[in-house]
Amino acid sequence: SSELTQDPAVSVALGQTVTITCQGDSLRSYYASWYQQKPGQAPTLVIYDKRNRPSGIPDRFSGSGSGNTASLTITGAQAEDEADYYCNSRDTSGYPVVFGGGTKLTVL
Amino acid sequence: QLQLQESGPGLVKPSETLSLTCTVSGGSISSSGYYWGWIRQPPGKGLEWIGSIYYSGRSTYYNPSLKSRVSIALDTSKNQLSLKLNSVTAADTAVFYCARLVVIISTSYFDSWGRGTLVTVSS
Repeated sequence: SSELTQDPAVSVALGQTVTITCQGDSLRSYYASWYQQKPGQAPTLVIYDKRNRPSGIPDRFSGSGSGNTASLTITGAQAEDEADYYCNSRDTSGYPVVFGGGTKLTVL
Repeated sequence: QLQLQESGPGLVKPSETLSLTCTVSGGSISSSGYYWGWIRQPPGKGLEWIGSIYYSGRSTYYNPSLKSRVSIALDTSKNQLSLKLNSVTAADTAVFYCARLVVIISTSYFDSWGRGTLVTVSS
């Protein structure tokens, strides 16, 4: 099966913009979706199908992608955005799901 | 609003079978076009997809690393999905989540999640 690679940790100053990336061969064929997970909570979908936001997700969250890389951008990061972020997509081997390893976002 | 709730033993002995149930409310697991899946997260680690089953129950997909030990099924009469993982070891200790999976041509994503349940493998 395919793999999706994420930077383990990223930091951003309060109010600034941060981009979290996800890389993998499957992203050449499929779009990524993104989840936010706060300590002790289940993941929450924040972006699906590359750039779509579910209802209730702030518009400071946006998604993009090109080639083998997908990106999640938070424009004007807030303290409450400090969390782990995971990407997923379909797998080119035929499996419906593959996850990235996750990125811990710290808001300074 | 769709709600999912995992249930099952919080402690399982090594070599035994881990069995969990996910009860779905606010919607039907027979809703056309959806998959249902299980995901686990060892303490302090990332998400790992375990497997998924189509709403009809006719198609299942399992993570290749777990395929020989895992089984997922639907019980439409109870609106539940189940997970069985056999021959468990301490490495299977994790929070287990059930979730609804959308699979479309361009991508896949889990749009509704349960709160998760911690299962510890220990004698």
